[in-house]
Amino acid sequence: DQQVKQNSPSLSVQEGRISILNCDYTNSMFDYFLWYKKYPAEGPTFLISISSIKDKNEDGRFTVFLNKSAKHLSLHIVPSQPGDSAVYFCAASVSSGGSNYKLTFGKGTLLTVNP
Amino acid sequence: SAVISQKPSRDICQRGTSLTIQCQVDSQVTMMFWYRQQPGQSLTLIATANQGSEATYESGFVIDKFPISRPNLTFSTLTVSNMSPEDSSIYLCSVGGTDYNEQFFGPGTRLTVL
Repeated sequence: DQQVKQNSPSLSVQEGRISILNCDYTNSMFDYFLWYKKYPAEGPTFLISISSIKDKNEDGRFTVFLNKSAKHLSLHIVPSQPGDSAVYFCAASVSSGGSNYKLTFGKGTLLTVNP
Repeated sequence: SAVISQKPSRDICQRGTSLTIQCQVDSQVTMMFWYRQQPGQSLTLIATANQGSEATYESGFVIDKFPISRPNLTFSTLTVSNMSPEDSSIYLCSVGGTDYNEQFFGPGTRLTVL
């Protein structure tokens, strides 16, 4: 049972345009969400996160939007750069109850930014 | 953020053998985590390793198959025992940041079992 779903295995955008990566979740207990970026032969690196008490969090070119009622979050990258080409993983956790370390990941979306 | 290294970076092994993967962190950390990423799948938590205590395994993972050591606050090993081709995966260790919701990952060990 995939509790975190990234339904688009890949996405291709032009440099300078907006990249929108989507993520859906089914577990209503999730209250903290993270995006990780992964280059080939490297481990995932933390990008940005959002708590369920917010609906938006911004960090430079990266913005994450959370729609709790739809159990949906998205990562916007504006403007997209060729160096953003990587696999992006959405992850979720339950921040209370002592298991806040347990991250549930989606399968990832490969973003390709074309020059 | 912590700097994490793993050895080996990759290996090709024969079925029925075992492989031990090492994870070294440049700072002392309380909790270390081991993940598996099977081809085309998401990262799945195998177990949590605390120094001085037995590892805590997630559903579907058992100590006999994936024994873990945590001898000190900067080092851990994961052994993949009696391997089969289904164990072909990337194995990653991670540590928690100041907020445990955020984790820092090692580069991973790509294991192929023939």
